[in-house]
Amino acid sequence: GQQLNQSPQSMFIQEGEDVSMNCTSSSIFNTWLWYKQDPGEGPVLLIALYKAGELTSNGRLTAQFGITRKDSFLNISASIPSDVGIYFCAGPSGGSNYKLTFGKGTLLTVNP
Amino acid sequence: NAGVTQTPKFQVLKTGQSMTLQCAQDMNHNSMYWYRQDPGMGLRLIYYSASEGTTDKGEVPNGYNVSRLNKREFSLRLESAAPSQTSVYFCASSGQTGLHQPQHFGDGTRLSIL
Repeated sequence: GQQLNQSPQSMFIQEGEDVSMNCTSSSIFNTWLWYKQDPGEGPVLLIALYKAGELTSNGRLTAQFGITRKDSFLNISASIPSDVGIYFCAGPSGGSNYKLTFGKGTLLTVNP
Repeated sequence: NAGVTQTPKFQVLKTGQSMTLQCAQDMNHNSMYWYRQDPGMGLRLIYYSASEGTTDKGEVPNGYNVSRLNKREFSLRLESAAPSQTSVYFCASSGQTGLHQPQHFGDGTRLSIL
């Protein structure tokens, strides 16, 4: 099946720093989604992208749909301690818009 | 303001036992999903229901059954639990906006099979 590779697997940063992470696919996606999961909770949808080249922001978060349609990027500006968590990318797979493939996540730690 | 509610939050079963995980959403969403999350892995889709009265297999459906009881409720049943089904199970829903992927997740059911 389709695989999503997220990079990096983990990040340790200082409060106030900017963060970049990315996700690549072995095949073309028509939608990219980014989720954040806090410990002990379910994921929360952060940003949804629908068009190649699209750049979408949600507060300090900005995500981009790569032009090749095989990658996506998530940037967090001026990180704060509550940004800590696991960030997952995901995209529809298996020929169905309802079936999502998730990456394995990027664990973000922010030191105050 | 409940969103997606899952019960129970924790459960320990013996191999071969059966149980049903319950999920309910109060947002009038059409689509509902069941995922499992294992350490070091992303979420994997078990089953989904695009609308009331329909269910379809996801990536890892073997050993599970689902029931979309009504628009609010989507249950997941393990008929004969196996240790490989030890996992955290998440229910999710998505609404009427044309987004066919999960928007809202519950807080999960942590299931251990001994």
